Amino acid sequence: GAVVSQHPSWVICKSGTSVKIECRSLDFQATTMFWYRQFPKQSLMLMATSNEGSKATYEQGVEKDKFLINHASLTLSTLTVTSAHPEDSSFYICSLQLAGGKDTQYFGPGTRLTVL
Amino acid sequence: GNSVTQMEGPVTLSEEAFLTINCTYTATGYPSLFWYVQYPGEGLQLLLKATKADDKGSNKGFEATYRKETTSFHLEKGSVQVSDSAVYFCARGEGAGSYQLTFGKGTKLSVIP
Repeated sequence: GAVVSQHPSWVICKSGTSVKIECRSLDFQATTMFWYRQFPKQSLMLMATSNEGSKATYEQGVEKDKFLINHASLTLSTLTVTSAHPEDSSFYICSLQLAGGKDTQYFGPGTRLTVL
Repeated sequence: GNSVTQMEGPVTLSEEAFLTINCTYTATGYPSLFWYVQYPGEGLQLLLKATKADDKGSNKGFEATYRKETTSFHLEKGSVQVSDSAVYFCARGEGAGSYQLTFGKGTKLSVIP
């Protein structure tokens, strides 16, 4: 299967600052990338679906101006949390779907964001 | 909307014990069903899947059967090992093009020697 990396693995920032999280496919080209958020003892919640070269599709309740997604290439997607606040502290996970991959997603190890 | 409910954890078992983690899903549409596993410090990995009613998914000694009549997809293993310690997520998936997964909350399993 595909190998997916995320960087950084954890980050602590001050309230009001912006944080960028990278998601890379190391060995396959991904037509679609997904961003999830997981609060403690909660399920993974889909935030947005990102297709290379087009605008991301956000789930209901997710602010597109706060969570900026850039899917610039078939191997890289970035999530920028703008003007982060303590309530944005969470575990952010990306996954990717390969071209013709149908129902299989490959997940990154996640990024722990803590906003002070 | 679509949802998945799985048993609360954590679950602690002795090595070689029998494992069952319950999972039920909302009876809408024709989803595929999945179990993902997350080992410490790693990303979620697909453990097994079933795409239609009565299908049985199996991998690494784990198995689960897609039961439409009870809307369930319970995960079972006859004899767990310490290396099976991880968080297990049940999920349903649907959609053409961009495939959408809906996850349960996850169940943490700890296997002690």
